[in-house]
Amino acid sequence: SQELEQSPQSLIVQEGKNLTINCTSSKTLYGLYWYKQKYGEGLIFLMMLQKGGEEKSHEKITAKLDEKKQQSSLHITASQPSHAGIYLCGADQRRVSDSGYALNFGKGTSLLVTP
Amino acid sequence: SQTIHQWPATLVQPVGSPLSLECTVEGTSNPNLYWYRQAAGRGLQLLFYSVGIGQISSEVPQNLSASRPQDRQFILSSKKLLLSDSGFYLCAWSVSRTGRNSPLHFGNGTRLTVT
Repeated sequence: SQELEQSPQSLIVQEGKNLTINCTSSKTLYGLYWYKQKYGEGLIFLMMLQKGGEEKSHEKITAKLDEKKQQSSLHITASQPSHAGIYLCGADQRRVSDSGYALNFGKGTSLLVTP
Repeated sequence: SQTIHQWPATLVQPVGSPLSLECTVEGTSNPNLYWYRQAAGRGLQLLFYSVGIGQISSEVPQNLSASRPQDRQFILSSKKLLLSDSGFYLCAWSVSRTGRNSPLHFGNGTRLTVT
């Protein structure tokens, strides 16, 4: 299965600052997913990347997949307290149907945004 | 729109007692269903997945079992809980369709503490 390494493990930034979270795989990524988890809650799907060089944005969050498809980054511009939480990357672990995959996840990056 | 319900939200059970966690999905048919466990410092671990009624695949040998008695119902069970079963249990679903990967959508989780 894919081994996903996330860095940093935790991050404290001042409100308004930009930040980047990285996700690196030991194997080629054919589907890379970013999720956000508020403490004690379920995971919220943010974005899915599939093609090398692909970039997607949602509000102030941008995710990119590198050309070699082994590394993805999540960038938050002008961070706000509402961005606080745990960010997890996930990748296809096991094919369970024609196009359905169970995902393997990194251990997450805990983000705290201070006033 | 599709929704996923998981209950209970929290549970405290003594060692040796049985367990039943339930998950239901609304607004879609024939979803792929998943049970994950999230433990501190260990990330998310895939426990079971199902592509149809009565079809269960186990990823990790353990004290737990899963069943899918109806298309949109997924149950996680144990006959006798162990201390090591404590954790945050997450149910998820995805659409199975040809031609593209589908993200997983998670419930709000169940916090299980075995005492």
